Amino acid sequence: TQLLEQSPQFLSIQEGENLTVYCNSSSVFSSLQWYRQEPGEGPVLLVTVVTGGEVKKLKRLTFQFGDARKDSSLHITAAQPGDTGLYLCAGEGNYGGSQGNLIFGKGTKLSVKP
Amino acid sequence: ETGVTQTPRHLVMGMTNKKSLKCEQHLGHNAMYWYKQSAKKPLELMFVYNFKEQTENNSVPSRFSPECPNSSHLFLHLHTLQPEDSALYLCASSTRDGYNEQFFGPGTRLTVL
Repeated sequence: TQLLEQSPQFLSIQEGENLTVYCNSSSVFSSLQWYRQEPGEGPVLLVTVVTGGEVKKLKRLTFQFGDARKDSSLHITAAQPGDTGLYLCAGEGNYGGSQGNLIFGKGTKLSVKP
Repeated sequence: ETGVTQTPRHLVMGMTNKKSLKCEQHLGHNAMYWYKQSAKKPLELMFVYNFKEQTENNSVPSRFSPECPNSSHLFLHLHTLQPEDSALYLCASSTRDGYNEQFFGPGTRLTVL
C-alpha cells in the first residue's frame, strides 16, 4: 500500500512568519499534487510537480519535488491570514487497487494569526 | 453554474432514512469520484466512474449506492447509515489523462443520528 505522510499535522503561526510543510513516502510517485482546503469548501489544486528536483513557485508559495520523487515540500514566505487552511498532498497510485487514482495525505492544518 | 456543484450542502438523517447526494460538473470531464473525508483520516476514495462506467469500488459498504446516469451527473444514494458514516462527502471530476488533476465540489456535510 502506498502512503503519504504529512508533517506537521497542525501549525499555528503569526502573520509574516515563514513555514515549511512536508509530504513523505517510501514509494516513488510519478507526480505529486498539492491542494488547499478552506473550511466548508472542497480542496482546490495549487500545483502539480512531475520531475525529480523540480521547484515551482506560486507567489509566496514554493513547492519542491524530491530528487527521488518520494517526497515534496511546501514553503510559504511571509504567511498571511489568507493562507489559513488545510494543505493536502496527493500522488497518483502506481499499482494494485490504487493504480491511476489519487492517494492523499492526512493534511497539515495551518492557522495564520494577524 | 461553473465547476463542480453538490447538493445538499448539509444533511442530517436518521439511521432508517433514505437520502441521496447529488453532484454535477460543468467542466466537460469524463471521470467523476466520490470521496469521504473524516477527521484525522486521509481522504478516502469511495467510487470512481470513467465515461459513466464504474471502475472502482473501494470496499464501500452496500448502504452506499452510487449512480452515474451521464458524464456530468453523479449521485450517492444512502440508506440505513450508521453514526460512524457522519463525514464530509466530496465529489470530484477530472479528465483522467495527464496527471489526473481533480476539481472538487464544496462537499455535503452529513450527520447520521
